[in-house]
Amino acid sequence: GQNIDQPTEMTATEGAIVQINCTYQTSGFNGLFWYQQHAGEAPTFLSYNVLDGLEEKGRFSSFLSRSKGYSYLLLKELQMKDSASYLCAVMDSNYQLIWGAGTKLIIKP
Amino acid sequence: DAMVIQNPRYQVTQFGKPVTLSCSQTLNHNVMYWYQQKSSQAPKLLFHYYDKDFNNEADTPDNFQSRRPNTSFCFLDIRSPGLGDAAMYLCATNEGEIQPQHFGDGTRLSIL
Repeated sequence: GQNIDQPTEMTATEGAIVQINCTYQTSGFNGLFWYQQHAGEAPTFLSYNVLDGLEEKGRFSSFLSRSKGYSYLLLKELQMKDSASYLCAVMDSNYQLIWGAGTKLIIKP
Repeated sequence: DAMVIQNPRYQVTQFGKPVTLSCSQTLNHNVMYWYQQKSSQAPKLLFHYYDKDFNNEADTPDNFQSRRPNTSFCFLDIRSPGLGDAAMYLCATNEGEIQPQHFGDGTRLSIL
């Protein structure tokens, strides 16, 4: 079966750095996406990795290792508004997105 | 601004009373998706359209139907809502398969 694993919840301090991990087992791979979802709102696109390595976008970076079936989202200089759920999603060989259940990130002052 | 618009944001219906949720997009994207998302769970794909080609997920209940009359609009019809259908319904679009999906704000459906 297809599976995406990410921690259910993480807590971090304002101004700090946090790394949210995602491991996956899917039938084929056509890229990995990270989305941010605030409570009661729709997901918004953060990043996309299709090749191994690090993609940097301002305070957010995403890393991929296809051989290990592993990705992480790194958030720097945390702000209170970063409190949200972060969803990892993998596109399989049928171009279907397989979603993780999300990691709820709580930022404390 | 180009966007994905879902109406209404909140919908309340009675058990067994048909309800229709709507989605429109000004992005001119080929692909449109309907997802169901329950609290603290992953979005669950119900259907998607590639242009007019309709794709139904194998485990989508028969109670759920969809229409896409043109590129811009897509509808989700729930023929006889049950209590288990209370959820957030998300519409998303993208230009093609390996592209990020752009989501509307969602419709939160409550069943009385």
